[in-house]
Amino acid sequence: QKEVEQNSGPLSVPEGAIASLNCTYSDRGSQSFFWYRQYSGKSPELIMFIYSNGDKEDGRFTAQLNKASQYVSLLIRDSQPSDSATYLCAVSSGTYKYIFGTGTRLKVLA
Amino acid sequence: NAGVTQTPKFQVLKTGQSMTLQCAQDMNHNSMYWYRQDPGMGLRLIYYSASEGTTDKGEVPNGYNVSRLNKREFSLRLESAAPSQTSVYFCASSGGGYQETQYFGPGTRLLVL
Repeated sequence: QKEVEQNSGPLSVPEGAIASLNCTYSDRGSQSFFWYRQYSGKSPELIMFIYSNGDKEDGRFTAQLNKASQYVSLLIRDSQPSDSATYLCAVSSGTYKYIFGTGTRLKVLA
Repeated sequence: NAGVTQTPKFQVLKTGQSMTLQCAQDMNHNSMYWYRQDPGMGLRLIYYSASEGTTDKGEVPNGYNVSRLNKREFSLRLESAAPSQTSVYFCASSGGGYQETQYFGPGTRLLVL
C-alpha cells in the first residue's frame, strides 16, 4: 500500500464546474497536508496547506481534511482551462520528510 | 529575490560519468531537499538537510551523495551515473519544521545513456 494515494486521472471537468481531487494517506500520525499544482515541464507550486480537521478556503480553492478517515481533498470552484495541471498531495508526519502522491491530472474543458 | 535556483537545467551523461547538481536558495531557509520525479512514481526524496551542517537519507539515496555547503547551497552528486538515474531532479527549501511550505527550484532534467 502506497503511503499517499491519488487517482492518476485524467479528471475532466467542463469550464465553470467544480473539480474535486482526493488523496488518502496511511500514516495516522500525519500532521500536515499540502496541495501542489504542477504544470507540464514545470516545478510544483503550493496551492494550499491544511493542518486541522475541517475545511479551509482560499479564493476558488477549498481544502478538506478528515483525519479519522485519513483523507484530504481539494475542491476547485469555477474551474478554468488554466487550472489544467497535475495536482500533487503531500503529507508530513512531523519530521522533515514529506511524502508525495503520484498526482491527479486535471483537464478543464473550455 | 530568485527563490530556489538549480544548475544545470539539462544534462546528458554517459553511464559511469559523474556530475554535481547545484542548488541555491536566497530565502534564508534552514532546510533543503533533493527529490527525483519519474513518470508514475511521483516525487521521491533522495536526501535532505534539516539545517546547515546536517544531512540525512531519504527514500532513494543509493547512488547519490550530498553536501550542504552553507546555509544557501545544497549540492547533489552522482559518482557513477546509471541509466536508472535518468529523471527530473528538484531541489526544494523550507523554513524548517513539519508545517513549513516547501519551495521548489525549476528542476534539472538528466538523461543517462
